[in-house]
Amino acid sequence: EADIYQTPRYLVIGTGKKITLECSQTMGHDKMYWYQQDPGMELHLIHYSYGVNSTEKGDLSSESTVSRIRTEHFPLTLESARPSHTSQYLCASSDTARWGLQETQYFGPGTRLLVL
Amino acid sequence: AQSVTQLDSQVPVFEEAPVELRCNYSSSVSVYLFWYVQYPNQGLQLLLKYLSGSTLVKGINGFEAEFNKSQTSFHLRKPSVHISDTAEYFCAVSDARTSYDKVIFGPGTSLSVIP
Repeated sequence: EADIYQTPRYLVIGTGKKITLECSQTMGHDKMYWYQQDPGMELHLIHYSYGVNSTEKGDLSSESTVSRIRTEHFPLTLESARPSHTSQYLCASSDTARWGLQETQYFGPGTRLLVL
Repeated sequence: AQSVTQLDSQVPVFEEAPVELRCNYSSSVSVYLFWYVQYPNQGLQLLLKYLSGSTLVKGINGFEAEFNKSQTSFHLRKPSVHISDTAEYFCAVSDARTSYDKVIFGPGTSLSVIP
């Protein structure tokens, strides 16, 4: 069973605050991802990482930043939260593809963020 | 560029009735296809995936999907739904040529099972 965790699960915060969304996985996966999902809408990739010290921006422009200092940890930070950041944030991880086959992405439970 | 279309944003169906959730993709290359389910207040969970081989793929919870290359479709089916199947279902596609497993998701279909 996949073990990927996100904290907090729910966060209500005021405008201008700095927040960090935590994501950890215990599967030793090299690749990790952050997605943003508005209610009833599709997922949008905002950040991804191929491994330690590797981070890239995704398809959807985001004011958030990420870091990958350890394999198991991929936190996402918003320096100054705004109401437009209100959304659900999903973290995922996958192993390095072998034999040309696609590896399944395992998702965390998500963080629902509300910025007032 | 790849894209995924899920034509039905909401699908209400009575309990024990069959259901089909439609998914079409646009891509000029070989693809891998996925269906994910998201139960209320939970993260995404993989239902099934098509990588190669048989075009009929069986997944968890009695779901199956059929890959149709000529119609670029990957519809999800279940012969008899249960109340617990009420959830959001996402179809997804990725490029089979590369080892970079970036996945494009559809907008989702909300399945509501009526008792």
